[in-house]
Amino acid sequence: AQKVTQAQTEISVVEKEDVTLDCVYETRDTTYYLFWYKQPPSGELVFLIRRNSFDEQNEISGRYSWNFQKSTSSFNFTITASQVVDSAVYFCALSETSGYSTLTFGKGTMLLVSP
Amino acid sequence: GAGVSQSPSNKVTEKGKDVELRCDPISGHTALYWYRQSLGQGLEFLIYFQGNSAPDKSGLPSDRFSAERTGGSVSTLTIQRTQQEDSAVYLCASSLRGTGVGTEAFFGQGTRLTVV
Repeated sequence: AQKVTQAQTEISVVEKEDVTLDCVYETRDTTYYLFWYKQPPSGELVFLIRRNSFDEQNEISGRYSWNFQKSTSSFNFTITASQVVDSAVYFCALSETSGYSTLTFGKGTMLLVSP
Repeated sequence: GAGVSQSPSNKVTEKGKDVELRCDPISGHTALYWYRQSLGQGLEFLIYFQGNSAPDKSGLPSDRFSAERTGGSVSTLTIQRTQQEDSAVYLCASSLRGTGVGTEAFFGQGTRLTVV
């Protein structure tokens, strides 16, 4: 069965610091998809990124970057120069392709960015 | 609408009553999901609808929970004889296809259910 582990329950940083959120996953599938979602205080889960298991290229989008390493089953998320608006709970999720099409979520990491 | 719409946004009910939660997915999305978010349990999958196929109900926690999706669009999650442990935020999501083929799911703002 698939599993997603986000070992960091809560992280506090000061604005402009860089922060990395860890995500480790387990799956028996060779083809799968990884996702990051952001849940601000308003409660809605906001999609950030999707990555398929065949694409190990790191991705950068503005202040966000993702490091996918199949060898360590990790899909870490870095926010550069954090801002107060980045304060939220961040979820890493896994979706397999072998007939089971739903998301398995980690427990989430609460990020608090203070001014 | 532009996004996934859920109603009501908040619901307080007495223990033992039945409740219905509604989800209006993004137009054209064939896949619809219900998840539950509660303290200590994180986000749990409940049920998945894909087109006209039989739904995947493997995540429903008990037979008090049921869901239907009419006309391939709006979905209703029904909880019968509510218990206090049913208190949670119920999130609905939709995607163009199943997320297993790599399509991201878009979530509604959820219904916060409180059973007193």
